[in-house]
Amino acid sequence: EPEVTQTPSHQVTQMGQEVILRCVPISNHLYFYWYRQILGQKVEFLVSFYNNEISEKSEIFDDQFSVERPDGSNFTLKIRSTKLEDSAMYFCASSSGTAPEKLFFGSGTQLSVL
Amino acid sequence: KQEVTQIPAALSVPEGENLVLNCSFTDSAIYNLQWFRQDPGKGLTSLLLIQSSQREQTSGRLNASLDKSSGRSTLYIAASQPGDSATYLCATGANDYKLSFGAGTTVTVRA
Repeated sequence: EPEVTQTPSHQVTQMGQEVILRCVPISNHLYFYWYRQILGQKVEFLVSFYNNEISEKSEIFDDQFSVERPDGSNFTLKIRSTKLEDSAMYFCASSSGTAPEKLFFGSGTQLSVL
Repeated sequence: KQEVTQIPAALSVPEGENLVLNCSFTDSAIYNLQWFRQDPGKGLTSLLLIQSSQREQTSGRLNASLDKSSGRSTLYIAASQPGDSATYLCATGANDYKLSFGAGTTVTVRA
């Protein structure tokens, strides 16, 4: 079965540094998402992306965050100046946009901000 | 804002017993409901998706029901096995495909 691929699986960074998390969604999918899960908390929505633009974003997704689809296969999440509270597991997901709208998730990037 | 609650938070059963996991949600205007499995430190594996017009979905030993009017879904796992040990997450989908997750039920199946 096709899958969503995320790299790296673990990322350690210093507070204030920029990080880019990378994702390769399933090839014929049209909708792309980032979710995150802080340790011990619920999985929470960050942003959705369709037709090369953000379709919706949560309150968490402030000016420090940005997403990009630089080519036909990659989907990236950039955090410009990381904070301690950005430490979390970040999940990329994609969906085809046709019923049933099942979301397929990647295995995640564990981000640790020191 | 949608609130999704899963009870119990944790469950431990002997192998062979049937599992019943509950999910409730506050806003019944959902588009669909998905059940996921999460293994420690790993991603989310979709188990079942129920469209808002459906009452249940089945896949092998798994059966999920949906009662939109009462804001409830139940995941049944028949004849549990140690390999079923994981955290099970319920998530409601809105028409913008955004998911709202519950906190999960962590299941331990004892051999």
